[in-house]
Amino acid sequence: GQQLNQSPQSMFIQEGEDVSMNCTSSSIFNTWLWYKQDPGEGPVLLIALYKAGELTSNGRLTAQFGITRKDSFLNISASIPSDVGIYFCAGLYAGGTSYGKLTFGQGTILTVHP
Amino acid sequence: GAGVSQSPSNKVTEKGKDVELRCDPISGHTALYWYRQSLGQGLEFLIYFQGNSAPDKSGLPSDRFSAERTGGSVSTLTIQRTQQEDSAVYLCASSLSFMETQYFGPGTRLLVL
Repeated sequence: GQQLNQSPQSMFIQEGEDVSMNCTSSSIFNTWLWYKQDPGEGPVLLIALYKAGELTSNGRLTAQFGITRKDSFLNISASIPSDVGIYFCAGLYAGGTSYGKLTFGQGTILTVHP
Repeated sequence: GAGVSQSPSNKVTEKGKDVELRCDPISGHTALYWYRQSLGQGLEFLIYFQGNSAPDKSGLPSDRFSAERTGGSVSTLTIQRTQQEDSAVYLCASSLSFMETQYFGPGTRLLVL
C-alpha cells in the first residue's frame, strides 16, 4: 500500500527561525494536504495542493506539490510560539483500492523556544 | 456554521465491553470518514461513507469494528468486545462531497483498561 515518509520527526527551533518539513511517497497522489494538530484537538487543515508543481502560500506558510506527485514540502517562515504542534502531511489518491482515503505521514513535532 | 462534533470526548471502558462513538458531520457534507490515531502516531484510515453507504470497509482492523450512517448525517462507530490495543483517539472527518477537503472533529479518546 501507499506509505508516506515525513521528516524530520521533530524540530526544536528558536522563535523567528524558518522551518521546513517534507513528505515523500512510494506512489503518486492527486492531492497533497498539510494539517496541524494541537494537543487534544483534531487536525486542522493548513494548505491544500491540487496540481503537480503548485506552490501555495497561506500567511507565513508555503507548501509545494512536487512535480513527480510523490512529494511535498511545507515551509514556515519567522516562527512564533503558537506554531508549536504536530504537523502532518496527507495524500489523497483518486484511484484503485485507495480511492478516497487520506494517507498520513507520521507527523513532525515542532517546538518553538521564545 | 458548526464544525464536526464527536461524542463522547473521552471514554474509559473495561476490556470486553462494547463502545459506541458518535460523529456529527458539518451540515450538508455528504462524505464522512473515520480515522484512528494511536499515541504518537499518524492517522490510520478506517472507513468512509458517501451518503449512507460505505464503499470501502477495508481499513477496519477487525470484525469487532463496524460503522453505520443514517439519514446521510450522523455516524456511529461501534467496537465490540474491546481490547486494550483498541485504545486510541478516534477521529471523524467530513467533506462537502467525496474527494473534497476533509475537516476533522476533535476526536474521541478511548482508553480500554
